[in-house]
Amino acid sequence: RKEVEQDPGPFNVPEGATVAFNCTYSNSASQSFFWYRQDCRKEPKLLMSVYSSGNEDGRFTAQLNRASQYISLLIRDSKLSDSATYLCASLGTGGFKTIFGAGTRLFVKA
Amino acid sequence: NAGVTQTPKFQVLKTGQSMTLQCAQDMNHEYMSWYRQDPGMGLRLIHYSVGAGITDQGEVPNGYNVSRSTTEDFPLRLLSAAPSQTSVYFCASSYTTGTGTYGYTFGSGTRLTVV
Repeated sequence: RKEVEQDPGPFNVPEGATVAFNCTYSNSASQSFFWYRQDCRKEPKLLMSVYSSGNEDGRFTAQLNRASQYISLLIRDSKLSDSATYLCASLGTGGFKTIFGAGTRLFVKA
Repeated sequence: NAGVTQTPKFQVLKTGQSMTLQCAQDMNHEYMSWYRQDPGMGLRLIHYSVGAGITDQGEVPNGYNVSRSTTEDFPLRLLSAAPSQTSVYFCASSYTTGTGTYGYTFGSGTRLTVV
């Protein structure tokens, strides 16, 4: 089993829709979690960090459920520009190794 | 602000050749890592460093060496290139404060093809 797993999608949603992605992790000792956005043929860029129960930034909300070992990303009022691959990542104990999921592809259509 | 700089951006190697991918950051970050990204596989950790002089293996270290002689530089060396090492390579850096470790800043990547 991979340490961090994501549904690869793709998720196809209309503009204005709300979409949610889940990411499960197997290392119960993981301390911090991150969501990155990656556009085609570009480097990943940090979207949100999740250190405790959750985090919100505008249309984006990330939540952490330690009991069930998953983090989620909610995107409200989707824009065409939100089309990208969303990567979740888990930072292990000691803050040394960050392990990524394979990513979830999102297409937002007009 | 240069951030994380990777060179070269593209490279074609013949099987058996060696080369070094360069990575430099100007943000005084203590953590640096190398990842490779293959279709459908996500980012896989090759090697990482928590500071100058300290490196450790990640998920897929075989065939690669690293060194960290300074805080700024973290080169990745391919010892004897194989077609299985055809990939996109990303270098990334991050830092920690009293509240935790922050997310990565990535370089723009090196697209490597081994023929």
